[in-house]
Amino acid sequence: DAGVIQSPRHEVTEMGQEVTLRCKPISGHNSLFWYRQTMMRGLELLIYFNNNVPIDDSGMPEDRFSAKMPNASFSTLKIQPSEPRDSAVYFCASRSRTGGNTEAFFGQGTRLTVV
Amino acid sequence: QQQVKQSPQSLIVQKGGISIINCAYENTAFDYFPWYQQFPGKGPALLIAIRPDVSEKKEGRFTISFNKSAKQFSLHIMDSQPGDSATYFCAANKGDYKLSFGAGTTVTVRA
Repeated sequence: DAGVIQSPRHEVTEMGQEVTLRCKPISGHNSLFWYRQTMMRGLELLIYFNNNVPIDDSGMPEDRFSAKMPNASFSTLKIQPSEPRDSAVYFCASRSRTGGNTEAFFGQGTRLTVV
Repeated sequence: QQQVKQSPQSLIVQKGGISIINCAYENTAFDYFPWYQQFPGKGPALLIAIRPDVSEKKEGRFTISFNKSAKQFSLHIMDSQPGDSATYFCAANKGDYKLSFGAGTTVTVRA
């Protein structure tokens, strides 16, 4: 398996533009997480899906952020409009729920820069 | 608010030395405590994990010590090597719910 695949790896955009980050989880995993990592705030959970259904989106900073998981093999995180303070590394992670607690596998991340 | 508090923020150790990172938690419902290792430009990757029914788990040079009554757990890296230089995150999880991560510790191993 290729692991969790995120695209793009790097994104530079101008303030006010829409940004869409993409994630393909590991096949067979039924939990998906979006995290944001910054020096100031560390790893923050933005949203968590189980079987394609959003379970907890309390970490989504504001209405400018939205996430979807239309099927088990694809998820998007959208920021509209983007702001410089959204600059961070965004990680997607997936996990299998079977067998109790199991390892969460992270993608390589998308480094977002909003100028 | 962080549910898992991690310290120190950074540490420097000589090659061959011992690195110790500490974490504390409040939620007694947590039942899974993993440590993740992250290299620059990469996503975090699971290093070692423990459940609260054991007090210690060792995998190679990495050991987790767990103190349930104190609600604390720690990672010990024995015989630290330059390749261990990375950021380490402790985390805690209840059931199949979300992982709560500590703030991270940057470990630098000097040759």
